[in-house]
Amino acid sequence: SAVISQKPSRDICQRGTSLTIQCQVDSQVTMMFWYRQQPGQSLTLIATANQGSEATYESGFVIDKFPISRPNLTFSTLTVSNMSPEDSSIYLCSVEGGSQTSTDTQYFGPGTRLTVL
Amino acid sequence: AQTVTQSQPEMSVQEAETVTLSCTYDTSESNYYLFWYKQPPSRQMILVIRQEAYKQQNATENRFSVNFQKAAKSFSLKISDSQLGDTAMYFCAFMKGLQGAQKLVFGQGTRLTINP
Repeated sequence: SAVISQKPSRDICQRGTSLTIQCQVDSQVTMMFWYRQQPGQSLTLIATANQGSEATYESGFVIDKFPISRPNLTFSTLTVSNMSPEDSSIYLCSVEGGSQTSTDTQYFGPGTRLTVL
Repeated sequence: AQTVTQSQPEMSVQEAETVTLSCTYDTSESNYYLFWYKQPPSRQMILVIRQEAYKQQNATENRFSVNFQKAAKSFSLKISDSQLGDTAMYFCAFMKGLQGAQKLVFGQGTRLTINP
């Protein structure tokens, strides 16, 4: 299956700042997704990253807070803007559909652990 | 909206025993997929097993198998001959079987500990 990497793996940030998380796949994929996992909780979808168009956001998540880029079929970024301690979470990207991955199945990157002080 | 419920927050078994994790879901969709993902302390979400709703046969992957009861909307995971490396959070997840990008809806997870 595809190899998915995320950078950084973890970070500690000050409130009011922004952090950009990168997700890189070693093969082209159709769909990329960004999820948030708050401490001790399950995963919630933030948005679907569409190549060549605007990301599609879930209810409760807005572009100003979580801008997303998808410049090509192997890369996406998620920015967490104007951070507060409530943004402390694990952020995971997932991919679906490509030569190395099955359709109708999502595969996850290793996650980015973000702590906001 | 779809919901996924895992009623066992924590489970603990001895190595080599068999353990079953429960999952129920609610949906009005007829075409969908169900998954079990494993999240060890490393936090990577690892796909354990996948089931298509239109298939009556239960999916199996080595020591992992599911009991898919479509009418009851139940999707339990059985781990046979459990190993220390099976210690992790296990999440049940649902995805609609529609065209285009579909999100995964996750249950709250079951923390499984395999004791030596």
